[in-house]
Amino acid sequence: KAGVTQTPRYLIKTRGQQVTLSCSPISGHRSVSWYQQTPGQGLQFLFEYFSETQRNKGNFPGRFSGRQFSNSRSEMNVSTLELGDSALYLCASSLVISGGSSYNEQFFGPGTRLTVL
Amino acid sequence: AQSVTQLDSHVSVSEGTPVLLRCNYSSSYSPSLFWYVQHPNKGLQLLLKYTSAATLVKGINGFEAEFKKSETSFHLTKPSAHMSDAAEYFCVVIPPSNYGGSQGNLIFGKGTKLSVKP
Repeated sequence: KAGVTQTPRYLIKTRGQQVTLSCSPISGHRSVSWYQQTPGQGLQFLFEYFSETQRNKGNFPGRFSGRQFSNSRSEMNVSTLELGDSALYLCASSLVISGGSSYNEQFFGPGTRLTVL
Repeated sequence: AQSVTQLDSHVSVSEGTPVLLRCNYSSSYSPSLFWYVQHPNKGLQLLLKYTSAATLVKGINGFEAEFKKSETSFHLTKPSAHMSDAAEYFCVVIPPSNYGGSQGNLIFGKGTKLSVKP
């Protein structure tokens, strides 16, 4: 079974531009979460999507947004890029068991390395 | 609020010697705790998880961790380090599920980089 894939793997943008990152979850996984990883702040949760709906959100400005499609693929968008947005963006998918509130393991992709100049 | 503190940002061991990566947690209730590993240019991989069953948890690649409530600790250990263990390790706590069983919002420690010398 293929793992979580993220495209592109590397991206260079300039300040003020916008960027869209893509994540394809493991087949059958319906939950997709996004995380930002930087040397200074470490790993921080951005948002989670399930059945095309955002159901959890971290503490990031509105410039960060996302969506999920009917096939569970997800995209995140960052508008008006700032130098501080340079980071590794990780996507994780999980198999959500109906009615369960217990933790389902999250499987991570390799990430997209975004550099803002 | 929950949090995890990884007490060492960098640990260096010799191949064949024991590994100890320390993690303390803060939680107002019985937490779910995890250890993830991140190899260079690769995604995070779950090593092991504690979800209030056995306090000694065995994971992949010979790693294990012990949940100690009295010490609020969840240290990761391995009896004998291998060169392939060199990576960054993250201690993680998960807050209670939101309505609808949200799976996101893992809270990560700052990470411990493990170096293994030949």
